[in-house]
Amino acid sequence: GNSVTQMEGPVTLSEEAFLTINCTYTATGYPSLFWYVQYPGEGLQLLLKATKADDKGSNKGFEATYRKETTSFHLEKGSVQVSDSAVYFCALSATMRSGGYNKLIFGAGTRLAVHP
Amino acid sequence: SQTIHQWPATLVQPVGSPLSLECTVEGTSNPNLYWYRQAAGRGLQLLFYSVGIGQISSEVPQNLSASRPQDRQFILSSKKLLLSDSGFYLCAWVANPTVNSPLHFGNGTRLTVT
Repeated sequence: GNSVTQMEGPVTLSEEAFLTINCTYTATGYPSLFWYVQYPGEGLQLLLKATKADDKGSNKGFEATYRKETTSFHLEKGSVQVSDSAVYFCALSATMRSGGYNKLIFGAGTRLAVHP
Repeated sequence: SQTIHQWPATLVQPVGSPLSLECTVEGTSNPNLYWYRQAAGRGLQLLFYSVGIGQISSEVPQNLSASRPQDRQFILSSKKLLLSDSGFYLCAWVANPTVNSPLHFGNGTRLTVT
């Protein structure tokens, strides 16, 4: 079946450090891959996406590359800020049982804490 | 532009009491609508989805039900809450669902069952 595995958190970094949050997936077919971010007390916001192998999604200094050969979609940022502190979710898009409609399958989320 | 509203933002309910959470979407027609739950320290689990008025599909058996009385309204209900129903409930929508379409989420309702 389809599933997403993320590295366990929390990840604690100093400001301006390099960030990597690992994400691997299992899927049939060719899913699209997403990263969502959840700030404290809020819903999820789409951070970036990639729809096919070797695509790189990027937004707000974050980027992730769809690696079909390693079934991975790791999130990276070169220099994190305190304002990046949040929970990050990796997700893949799968077709529902009824067919033709997308469903997002999420990883467990990784909490990032950035301190000054 | 499209917006999604969920209410209430927080709710504390006793075990055995009923539940009604509401979600509305503005600025789009015939969206697919979803209810997800995020339990403490865990990822998001899809509970229900709807592709049109009165059409509800359940992903997992549980103590909850969903209804879609209007095109842009999605309601999550329970007749008798359990302690295990505590969590963060998120409504989401997508206008033209394809495998490439991201879902757009509301700000969620934090439910505590005591």
